[in-house]
Amino acid sequence: GAGVSQSPSNKVTEKGKDVELRCDPISGHTALYWYRQSLGQGLEFLIYFQGNSAPDKSGLPSDRFSAERTGGSVSTLTIQRTQQEDSAVYLCASSSRGQAYWDQPQHFGDGTRLSIL
Amino acid sequence: DQQVKQNSPSLSVQEGRISILNCDYTNSMFDYFLWYKKYPAEGPTFLISISSIKDKNEDGRFTVFLNKSAKHLSLHIVPSQPGDSAVYFCAASAVPNAGGTSYGKLTFGQGTILTVHP
Repeated sequence: GAGVSQSPSNKVTEKGKDVELRCDPISGHTALYWYRQSLGQGLEFLIYFQGNSAPDKSGLPSDRFSAERTGGSVSTLTIQRTQQEDSAVYLCASSSRGQAYWDQPQHFGDGTRLSIL
Repeated sequence: DQQVKQNSPSLSVQEGRISILNCDYTNSMFDYFLWYKKYPAEGPTFLISISSIKDKNEDGRFTVFLNKSAKHLSLHIVPSQPGDSAVYFCAASAVPNAGGTSYGKLTFGQGTILTVHP
């Protein structure tokens, strides 16, 4: 079946502009996560959705970052007034809800490579 | 404070031999561990996982070993193939805490570049 789909695959924008990144999770997956990987860094957690609610936003680096999820499916990550340090690959992952809801593997999309000029 | 560490940035192995990738963690609340493989310009691909109630999980050529007392896990690939050449990430998630704020978010190591030579 279809995997996690992210768009755009690449985004180049000027400092100060707003950007919106989209994630379409695997059908039926209730959990959705956003991560980012900056140059030379590991993957870092940003935000978690269960259904349409986001019980864990602890990884969002500043109030310029926000995310929403509608219909328990598609999610958008919005970065306002972008800064050069926002340049990174933004990855989305989804997982199903298992017997214990944290012990199901997360499946990743190919990410959006964001470059801030 | 890096809670998941992969101390070897790279590993080079001959085709057909065993590849052993190592990972150490510090958070005793971690109870689910995963290995991902990543090719350039692609997202991480899930390989294999292990729950803290087990010490070994096997799937084809891939075996993950967990030593809870040492807070150490390893991934064995036997036999190694040139197509296995990629970056391998170890990841861990924690039991939801009393406040219920863990929710399965993954903490990743820095990755190990595996090169398998023909």
